[in-house]
Amino acid sequence: QMQLVESGAEVKKPGSSVKVSCKASGGTFSNSAISWVRQAPGQGLEWMGGIIPSFGSASYAQKFQGRVSITADESTNTAHMELSSLRSEDTAVFYCVRSSGYYAAFDIWGPGTTVSVSA
Amino acid sequence: EIVMTQSPATLSVSPGERATLSCRASQSVSINVAWYQQKPGQAPRLLIYGASTRATGIPVRFSGSGSGTEFTLTIGSLQSEDFAVYYCQQYSKWWTFGQGTKVEIK
Repeated sequence: QMQLVESGAEVKKPGSSVKVSCKASGGTFSNSAISWVRQAPGQGLEWMGGIIPSFGSASYAQKFQGRVSITADESTNTAHMELSSLRSEDTAVFYCVRSSGYYAAFDIWGPGTTVSVSA
Repeated sequence: EIVMTQSPATLSVSPGERATLSCRASQSVSINVAWYQQKPGQAPRLLIYGASTRATGIPVRFSGSGSGTEFTLTIGSLQSEDFAVYYCQQYSKWWTFGQGTKVEIK
């Protein structure tokens, strides 16, 4: 069974960027889509964007268009999410999630990683 | 964007009782709906997909129903480990989540 693990917690200044990675173990990115989901403290879940690693091009939620970039490397089973122009409202837990493709449920979740944005 | 609206926001239930959670989509999503459970400090866990299919390892007391725009998650005979926040999600057009229903001990 595939497991996903995000990189460690980050503390960032407003206006800067953060890049979070997601490593798969016990499985490969083949036949998968990898998405990123954000959860602000005490709030709900937001899909930010996703990628099918075998295709290469990512799709993004309108809310995050222009500010987020998602990439994936099938050879290392690693995905990355970079969020720019950080503001305090971006303080959240970021989850890497797997689905069997676009338009499928998220069947595997990473434990999440916290990004804190503070001056 | 398809908006998912969950009700109620909080549901107070006694252990052993049944809980019924609702989710409404702003437009038809067929049966492309999933339900997730999230406990404090943990990542969400997939419970139901395809509106009514239990994910691997999910107990039979969890059941889902609905199609189109109206969906229901039913938890029969609540156990202590079921008190959590539940989210519905549509995946008919990208992905959007409801705002969550907290199931708390009455």
